[in-house]
Amino acid sequence: DVKVTQSSRYLVKRTGEKVFLECVQDMDHENMFWYRQDPGLGLRLIYFSYDVKMKEKGDIPEGYSVSREKKERFSLILESASTNQTSMYLCASSLLQGAGQPQHFGDGTRLSIL
Amino acid sequence: SQQGEEDPQALSIQEGENATMNCSYKTSINNLQWYRQNSGRGLVHLILIRSNEREKHSGRLRVTLDTSKKSSSLLITASRAADTASYFCATDNWGGNKLTFGTGTQLKVEL
Repeated sequence: DVKVTQSSRYLVKRTGEKVFLECVQDMDHENMFWYRQDPGLGLRLIYFSYDVKMKEKGDIPEGYSVSREKKERFSLILESASTNQTSMYLCASSLLQGAGQPQHFGDGTRLSIL
Repeated sequence: SQQGEEDPQALSIQEGENATMNCSYKTSINNLQWYRQNSGRGLVHLILIRSNEREKHSGRLRVTLDTSKKSSSLLITASRAADTASYFCATDNWGGNKLTFGTGTQLKVEL
């Protein structure tokens, strides 16, 4: 089975801090994704990557950056955390080739910015 | 932007009953997928239906797709308490595996 592991289940940080959220997958998937999930808004795509060192903006990239130095690892960076970034963050991965590949999700990081 | 909108937002039924959730979307799609999310966990892929398909079955799940109405439905038959979860539709608009998720339906199955 595909395993997507997010480094922390819960995280509390302060306004202005630089925050790193880490995600690792073990199935050699090309695609990796970062979403945030908020009540009533569903999942919104922040960034995705289809290869090492490649990144594409999603629907809400402002205030975030990403890093993909190795195929299995995709990091989300909050450059200067703000309270409106308090949310559940979900990482996912999928194969690149062939339409309709399912995405495999980690269990999420619930981030609180105080 | 939100592509899929699920209806209803919340649904409460008794064990053994059927549960139907609907999803509407705005632009043409390559395929549509349904996911389940248990409380405090990540999403799990349930079933995929391609734009040239009208109906698909997997165990107790039945998915329909009407591209003329830009809508899909997920039917869970003979529901169980373990089916209690949020259900999301997700559309793949260009076949590149980038999905756009809806806002979800919260299903509660009571004993």
